[in-house]
Amino acid sequence: DAMVIQNPRYQVTQFGKPVTLSCSQTLNHNVMYWYQQKSSQAPKLLFHYYDKDFNNEADTPDNFQSRRPNTSFCFLDIRSPGLGDAAMYLCATSRELAGADTQYFGPGTRLTVL
Amino acid sequence: RKEVEQDPGPFNVPEGATVAFNCTYSNSASQSFFWYRQDCRKEPKLLMSVYSSGNEDGRFTAQLNRASQYISLLIRDSKLSDSATYLCVVRGDYKLSFGAGTTVTVRA
Repeated sequence: DAMVIQNPRYQVTQFGKPVTLSCSQTLNHNVMYWYQQKSSQAPKLLFHYYDKDFNNEADTPDNFQSRRPNTSFCFLDIRSPGLGDAAMYLCATSRELAGADTQYFGPGTRLTVL
Repeated sequence: RKEVEQDPGPFNVPEGATVAFNCTYSNSASQSFFWYRQDCRKEPKLLMSVYSSGNEDGRFTAQLNRASQYISLLIRDSKLSDSATYLCVVRGDYKLSFGAGTTVTVRA
């Protein structure tokens, strides 16, 4: 059974049209992460939630926002997608932040911006 | 300088061969180390953790050299199913830093 679910798997949006990506987890983990991965590049952490505490990476553009209404769900909002935002967006969870805790990844949402 | 650097490859090897590759990391305070595997257009999946004394998991052997700040992965008796991109991952205080990956292609 899938433990980290992302919807939709493929998303097409127009330049400048807001889009929301969804992630849910059945693991009851405290931490949820959003990564952006462009072709042949490393996944880049955008932000994470520890419970309800939001932590933004310093170089994450303001165009990217996130919401976590409850333990199970986390959303990535892209307010005005540009062509450079086309990428795979990966959601991940972990039980805790510290130590050698494993991160579990969802299958990703591939975003295309026209 | 990138936090984690890897040779992108590709490493093209025949079935049954041994292939090995490294990555280097810049933060000497890094606490934990991992190898993840990523298939084309799929999510990364944990392959194995890397321990200070080195560790094996079947045909995979990982080594850590803290003094030189590098991590290695060796795959013995390569299978076609080992074809993938291998991501070197380093944990700092709260987050994982990923390398861009080393691509391995095993041919029949």
